[in-house]
Amino acid sequence: SAVISQKPSRDICQRGTSLTIQCQVDSQVTMMFWYRQQPGQSLTLIATANQGSEATYESGFVIDKFPISRPNLTFSTLTVSNMSPEDSSIYLCSAFSGGSQAFFGQGTRLTVV
Amino acid sequence: RKEVEQDPGPFNVPEGATVAFNCTYSNSASQSFFWYRQDCRKEPKLLMSVYSSGNEDGRFTAQLNRASQYISLLIRDSKLSDSATYLCVVNGIDYKLSFGAGTTVTVRA
Repeated sequence: SAVISQKPSRDICQRGTSLTIQCQVDSQVTMMFWYRQQPGQSLTLIATANQGSEATYESGFVIDKFPISRPNLTFSTLTVSNMSPEDSSIYLCSAFSGGSQAFFGQGTRLTVV
Repeated sequence: RKEVEQDPGPFNVPEGATVAFNCTYSNSASQSFFWYRQDCRKEPKLLMSVYSSGNEDGRFTAQLNRASQYISLLIRDSKLSDSATYLCVVNGIDYKLSFGAGTTVTVRA
């Protein structure tokens, strides 16, 4: 199993600013992902965080808005840039540690005012 | 069409009751299947994997029907602590997970 520490757990931000969310895994993992969960909805995949190269974004998500870094096999960051109230959501990082079970960070509850 | 569709519920059941619900998935190439549990304001946590032959974990029974592309979860002898949202999750290629919108279960005393 893997333990994922995600921070911050919550934040309230002004529109137009940016927030960087960090995700630290306690062991090396093959795959890391970033998801968004809007109020009352399920999780939507934002991107796959690739170690040492640019992230792979899903349809509707772009690097300029959600830059992602993954400098090594245990750490990744997601930045939500130039925020607007529509970005208010829960952001979750996820990792696979062998096998097919996904583990999740505790989530970051973002409110943009 | 959504990749994974679930009955949103809510299912309100008394303690000790049996509750069951399904989800359907659209991608016939999907490789693995899971039920995750999400408590209010918490991250999803794996409840159980779903195997082709069906599998049981205590009071929880999961079934997979590949021909009809649906997955089911049955909870026997419901406890108050079973109150949560249950997410149907399908794993396609490249470990990308597709999530259903969740089925809300509330167990009342």
